[in-house]
Amino acid sequence: GNSVTQMEGPVTLSEEAFLTINCTYTATGYPSLFWYVQYPGEGLQLLLKATKADDKGSNKGFEATYRKETTSFHLEKGSVQVSDSAVYFCALLSGYSTLTFGKGTMLLVSP
Amino acid sequence: DSGVTQTPKHLITATGQRVTLRCSPRSGDLSVYWYQQSLDQGLQFLIQYYNGEERAKGNILERFSAQQFPDLHSELNLSSLELGDSALYFCASSGGTVTYNEQFFGPGTRLTVL
Repeated sequence: GNSVTQMEGPVTLSEEAFLTINCTYTATGYPSLFWYVQYPGEGLQLLLKATKADDKGSNKGFEATYRKETTSFHLEKGSVQVSDSAVYFCALLSGYSTLTFGKGTMLLVSP
Repeated sequence: DSGVTQTPKHLITATGQRVTLRCSPRSGDLSVYWYQQSLDQGLQFLIQYYNGEERAKGNILERFSAQQFPDLHSELNLSSLELGDSALYFCASSGGTVTYNEQFFGPGTRLTVL
């Protein structure tokens, strides 16, 4: 079946540091890949997505590249802010539009 | 604001009871999805409805059921509640059955079973 594995957190960074959150997946066929973000007390928001191999999704300074050869979709940001503190979920979409999520990675950014 | 609304925001009840969670999708969205988020299981897909019909089923317990009404709102019914059912329940909606169609999430209902 489909599965998503992402690095365990929390990831603790200082403001303006470089961020990488690793995500690898197992899926049949050609899934679409997503990063969702959950701020404290809120629902999930789509951060970025990529629908085919070598696509790069980007939004709000975050980016991730769909790597079919390594089955990965790592999230990166060049300079994090305190307001980026949240839980980040990697997910894949395959078959009948059912999302499979990773366990989430908490990011804590200090001033 | 995603446009998806969920009520109630919080629900506290006792073991053995039954509760109903309600979701209103974004205007025009035909698909509704239910997810459960707990500390030990993470985010799990429960069930999907499309225009009133069940479309896909995930890890939904037999004690749980859902339906989607003609006005497209959906309800998730949880019965014979157990302590382990305490979780955040999210509803999401999307515009169709295209596999990469974006899902918009509601703010969730936090269920606490005492």
